[in-house]
Amino acid sequence: DSGVTQTPKHLITATGQRVTLRCSPRSGDLSVYWYQQSLDQGLQFLIQYYNGEERAKGNILERFSAQQFPDLHSELNLSSLELGDSALYFCASSVKQGGGTDTQYFGPGTRLTVL
Amino acid sequence: GDSVTQMEGPVTLSEEAFLTINCTYTATGYPSLFWYVQYPGEGLQLLLKATKADDKGSNKGFEATYRKETTSFHLEKGSVQVSDSAVYFCALSDRGSARQLTFGSGTQLTVLP
Repeated sequence: DSGVTQTPKHLITATGQRVTLRCSPRSGDLSVYWYQQSLDQGLQFLIQYYNGEERAKGNILERFSAQQFPDLHSELNLSSLELGDSALYFCASSVKQGGGTDTQYFGPGTRLTVL
Repeated sequence: GDSVTQMEGPVTLSEEAFLTINCTYTATGYPSLFWYVQYPGEGLQLLLKATKADDKGSNKGFEATYRKETTSFHLEKGSVQVSDSAVYFCALSDRGSARQLTFGSGTQLTVLP
């Protein structure tokens, strides 16, 4: 158990809908990262927050957004969903700002299926 | 940009066989290197890491050495077990402004009894 929790575990929805994925980092970790794992794209970084502020952006679509709250939990919002958004979404956390030697610890993921 | 190239899978071995999974990287700076493992239906777990050249990361019988001259971080284990069956990901984290992990494509390992 990494100490990172994600809810829900599974999510099934229809095209055009909007969903929210939730992540609670390990106790004491200030950084939260979101990754998408799909069969065709592999594991891709989406976005990082540090202590409530956005710090880095990767291949995140404009239809997707995220935020980190004062209690350090984070939410990833996916809107106008398309079939291609079906994937496993991971959250990871680390103590510091990230990069270098800082290790990221991953949650169990949320499997999103868009029908 | 940064990239990680991993040995194509899947890899099937018999129990107690020697394992090597190749990983090479391209990065502008001096990255930290990681191996993560994903068991069926689970998230990624950190297996080992190395933060500078010639460092050797090790855990649970797995080892990998950070080779700057060949830009490689190959994963090895002397004697695999059925319980090692999983997907293995090589990854790097740049020390510069980028904060994210860049992953390889993953290598599926199956160990047969």
